[in-house]
Amino acid sequence: GDSVTQMEGPVTLSEEAFLTINCTYTATGYPSLFWYVQYPGEGLQLLLKATKADDKGSNKGFEATYRKETTSFHLEKGSVQVSDSAVYFCALSDRYFNKFYFGSGTKLNVKP
Amino acid sequence: GAGVSQSPSNKVTEKGKDVELRCDPISGHTALYWYRQSLGQGLEFLIYFQGNSAPDKSGLPSDRFSAERTGGSVSTLTIQRTQQEDSAVYLCASSVDRDNEQFFGPGTRLTVL
Repeated sequence: GDSVTQMEGPVTLSEEAFLTINCTYTATGYPSLFWYVQYPGEGLQLLLKATKADDKGSNKGFEATYRKETTSFHLEKGSVQVSDSAVYFCALSDRYFNKFYFGSGTKLNVKP
Repeated sequence: GAGVSQSPSNKVTEKGKDVELRCDPISGHTALYWYRQSLGQGLEFLIYFQGNSAPDKSGLPSDRFSAERTGGSVSTLTIQRTQQEDSAVYLCASSVDRDNEQFFGPGTRLTVL
């Protein structure tokens, strides 16, 4: 079946460091891919998405490219801020089977 | 505008009791989703409703779990004969349609003693 695997956390970085959170997936069809973020004390919210191969999603300085050849959707940001501290979830929407899969989440701590 | 609301926010119950969790989606959203988040785990997809269509129930963890959506709006997730392993945060989300952003509710924290 479909699944999403993301790197385990926590990830601790200094402010202005480069961030990569790895996400790989398995899918039988052509899924849409998402990154959701959960800030402390808040609910999950969409960060960015990509609906087909080679699409790049971007928002708030974060980017992720849908790579079909490597079945990956890694999240990157060139310069993190303390306010980026949150838990990040990679997710997949399987249109064929109408099922949705989330990774286990990666906690990011950014220190000043 | 109102977001997705869930009630109750917290529920403590005894093993073997039935519980009902409610979700009010954003008005106009045709898609509604239920997830379960256990401590330290990711989100486990439970069930998805699209409009008034019958949902695919194969993601529900056991036959003690059931869900319905009345009038294409409010949804209720029912857990019968609760077990301790059912303790988790149950999240509801809605979206305009399947491939668009899911808006999440605050969740219901269920504790089974």
